[in-house]
Amino acid sequence: DSGVTQTPKHLITATGQRVTLRCSPRSGDLSVYWYQQSLDQGLQFLIQYYNGEERAKGNILERFSAQQFPDLHSELNLSSLELGDSALYFCASSGLAGQETQYFGPGTRLLVL
Amino acid sequence: GESVGLHLPTLSVQEGDNSIINCAYSNSASDYFIWYKQESGKGPQFIIDIRSNMDKRQGQRVTVLLNKTVKHLSLQIAATQPGDSAVYFCAERGYNTDKLIFGTGTRLQVFP
Repeated sequence: DSGVTQTPKHLITATGQRVTLRCSPRSGDLSVYWYQQSLDQGLQFLIQYYNGEERAKGNILERFSAQQFPDLHSELNLSSLELGDSALYFCASSGLAGQETQYFGPGTRLLVL
Repeated sequence: GESVGLHLPTLSVQEGDNSIINCAYSNSASDYFIWYKQESGKGPQFIIDIRSNMDKRQGQRVTVLLNKTVKHLSLQIAATQPGDSAVYFCAERGYNTDKLIFGTGTRLQVFP
């Protein structure tokens, strides 16, 4: 158990809908990262937050957004969902600068029908 | 978690043998490298990491080797066990960034 939790574990929805994925980092970790894992593209970095502020952005679509709250949990919002958004979404967390190891949560499996 | 699906390279080894999983990275400026193991239905699990100022690092039954000249990383698993069966990913972190760039993964199959 990495100490990173994600909810829900599974999500089935329809095209055009909006969903919110939630992540709680390991105790004491300030950075949260979101990754997408699909059959076509492997693990892709989406976005990073550090202590509530956006720190780095990857290949995140404009339909997707994220935030990190004062208690350090993070949410990834996916809107106007398309079939191609079906994937595993992972959250990872790491500590202060210099503690590079990212620990991953169990993921949320999203299926868009 | 199935990861990259249909075209993952696969390494098949017999239980008790040593395994070597290779990875080529892309950015010569990357300063940190990490290996993850992903079992079916789970998130990537940290195995071992190495900084660019090192050539070799050993853990419990695992060794990571870094060859910066040819931008190559390898993971050696000693006395491979059935529980080692999984997909293994290498990841690199570029200079002055926290984000990880993942390789495509290698599926390790251990047979008795």
